[in-house]
Amino acid sequence: KAGVTQTPRYLIKTRGQQVTLSCSPISGHRSVSWYQQTPGQGLQFLFEYFSETQRNKGNFPGRFSGRQFSNSRSEMNVSTLELGDSALYLCASSPGQGHEQFFGPGTRLTVL
Amino acid sequence: EDKVVQSPLSLVVHEGDTVTLNCSYEVTNFRSLLWYKQEKKAPTFLFMLTSSGIEKKSGRLSSILDKKELFSILNITATQTGDSAVYLCAGGDSGAGSYQLTFGKGTKLSVIP
Repeated sequence: KAGVTQTPRYLIKTRGQQVTLSCSPISGHRSVSWYQQTPGQGLQFLFEYFSETQRNKGNFPGRFSGRQFSNSRSEMNVSTLELGDSALYLCASSPGQGHEQFFGPGTRLTVL
Repeated sequence: EDKVVQSPLSLVVHEGDTVTLNCSYEVTNFRSLLWYKQEKKAPTFLFMLTSSGIEKKSGRLSSILDKKELFSILNITATQTGDSAVYLCAGGDSGAGSYQLTFGKGTKLSVIP
């Protein structure tokens, strides 16, 4: 079975721009969660989607948003980028609630 | 707010040593405790624990959960240089119809030959 894929793998943007990241979960998995990883804060939960519905959102500003499509693929969007948004953004897929989550390779976002 | 604390933050051992990594948690609607290994890339799944006292094993790695004392340990025996990584512990919260992992800051393990 193919693993979780994320595109793009690397991205460089400037402050004020917006960015869209994509995640394709493992085939058959319906739950997708997003995390932000930084050296200072570690891994922090952004949001979780299941069957196209956002079920939970972490403590991030409204500039961070996401969605899930009928094929379970998910996108997250960050608008009005700030320097502090530079991070590794990880997507994790799971068969459903309470199951183990499997991570994709991540998208490294650098904001200049 | 859920909280996961790992100790030690870093550890240096020699090949062949046995190590124990600690994880304590405070999770409101606790469902599971997960361990991941992260090298210079995305975390890879090691174990998921839901029941107290039942050890999970995979080769030289093993883990156990104590739901009364709210902690878990990850043991690695006969360490090898390939075990060098950051080990992450996460508590799974299944409140409000969703499921969310709260991660600790990790334990950085360095195994020297």
